[in-house]
Amino acid sequence: GDSVTQMEGPVTLSEEAFLTINCTYTATGYPSLFWYVQYPGEGLQLLLKATKADDKGSNKGFEATYRKETTSFHLEKGSVQVSDSAVYFCALSGKVNSNYQLIWGAGTKLIIKP
Amino acid sequence: EAQVTQNPRYLITVTGKKLTVTCSQNMNHEYMSWYRQDPGLGLRQIYYSMNVEVTDKGDVPEGYKVSRKEKRNFPLILESPSPNQTSLYFCASSRRQGLDGELFFGEGSRLTVL
Repeated sequence: GDSVTQMEGPVTLSEEAFLTINCTYTATGYPSLFWYVQYPGEGLQLLLKATKADDKGSNKGFEATYRKETTSFHLEKGSVQVSDSAVYFCALSGKVNSNYQLIWGAGTKLIIKP
Repeated sequence: EAQVTQNPRYLITVTGKKLTVTCSQNMNHEYMSWYRQDPGLGLRQIYYSMNVEVTDKGDVPEGYKVSRKEKRNFPLILESPSPNQTSLYFCASSRRQGLDGELFFGEGSRLTVL
């Protein structure tokens, strides 16, 4: 079945460092891809999405490009801030028992040190 | 303000004492879902509902019940809680669950079963 694999955390960086969180997927068809973020003590919220190959999603300085050839959707940010410390989830919209569902990666905890 | 509201936010209970976690959304969303989040396991879906009176099992439904009698509410019922149901629970809703569906999450309910 469809699945999402993301790099294990925690990932610890200094402020202003470049961030990459890897996400790869296995899916039949052409799923939409998502990154969600969970700040401490809060629920998840959508960070960005891409619905077809070569689309680039972007929001709050984060970017991710839907790469069909490498089945990847890596999250990047050029200069992270302490406020970016959170757990990041990669997900795809896949068919499960004839209904579309979000299939989640395990989450990557990001810690930014001042 | 558009939101998903869960109650209670925190609960400590004892094995076998029935409890209900309520979830309500004010966005007229058709799709609602319950997840549990455990360290190292990411998000796991418990039950979901495509619309009123339509519910389906997710990945980990054992020990839980749900009902969807009206569009805005989707309560999670633990008939006889056990310690392995100690977890952080999230309710989520979406306008539609499809290729580009965005999930809106509640703030979470932290449940401890002694």
